[in-house]
Amino acid sequence: GAVVSQHPSWVICKSGTSVKIECRSLDFQATTMFWYRQFPKQSLMLMATSNEGSKATYEQGVEKDKFLINHASLTLSTLTVTSAHPEDSSFYICSGGAFSYNEQFFGPGTRLTVL
Amino acid sequence: GQQVMQIPQYQHVQEGEDFTTYCNSSTTLSNIQWYKQRPGGHPVFLIQLVKSGEVKKQKRLTFQFGEAKKNSSLHITATQTTDVGTYFCAGPEWMGTYKYIFGTGTRLKVLA
Repeated sequence: GAVVSQHPSWVICKSGTSVKIECRSLDFQATTMFWYRQFPKQSLMLMATSNEGSKATYEQGVEKDKFLINHASLTLSTLTVTSAHPEDSSFYICSGGAFSYNEQFFGPGTRLTVL
Repeated sequence: GQQVMQIPQYQHVQEGEDFTTYCNSSTTLSNIQWYKQRPGGHPVFLIQLVKSGEVKKQKRLTFQFGEAKKNSSLHITATQTTDVGTYFCAGPEWMGTYKYIFGTGTRLKVLA
């Protein structure tokens, strides 16, 4: 299957700082990228869907000003957690999709810990 | 919005025993996908079912899509320790673009 990378794989930051997570599709063009958040022993919760060159569509309850998503190209999407707080600590996973594929290809995830 | 529930939430089995997880959607689905997430890992696509009543097999795994296309199941025959992980079903929702709603997941533990 296609490969999606995520960087960084883990990050620890102080409360109030901003953290940027990059998601790259390495060998295909992802027309759509999804960002999920997963708390321990829970399911994946979709945060937002982004299409290249357009604004992201956020799920209900997800603050778009806090979780900034940029899908600048068909191979790169970024999620910036602004003014992070301890309750934002979670496992953030991106996935890429394309019309030619039935499945989503997931990145390895980024574990964020806010102190 | 659409909700996708899975039962059971947890399952512990002895190696060699069979395992089944059930997925139920609040709405009719055009297709359903199954993913496996190993502990500490990310979800990996297993299969997609599209047709009503469809049954697909992958070695010891059997996937079924209900006649009404609102439920699905994954059955593993003779579990092995490598089957450990969380199994998620995911159903699509069209909101101007396709997005997938993940089920609550079933965590499988296989005891050697």
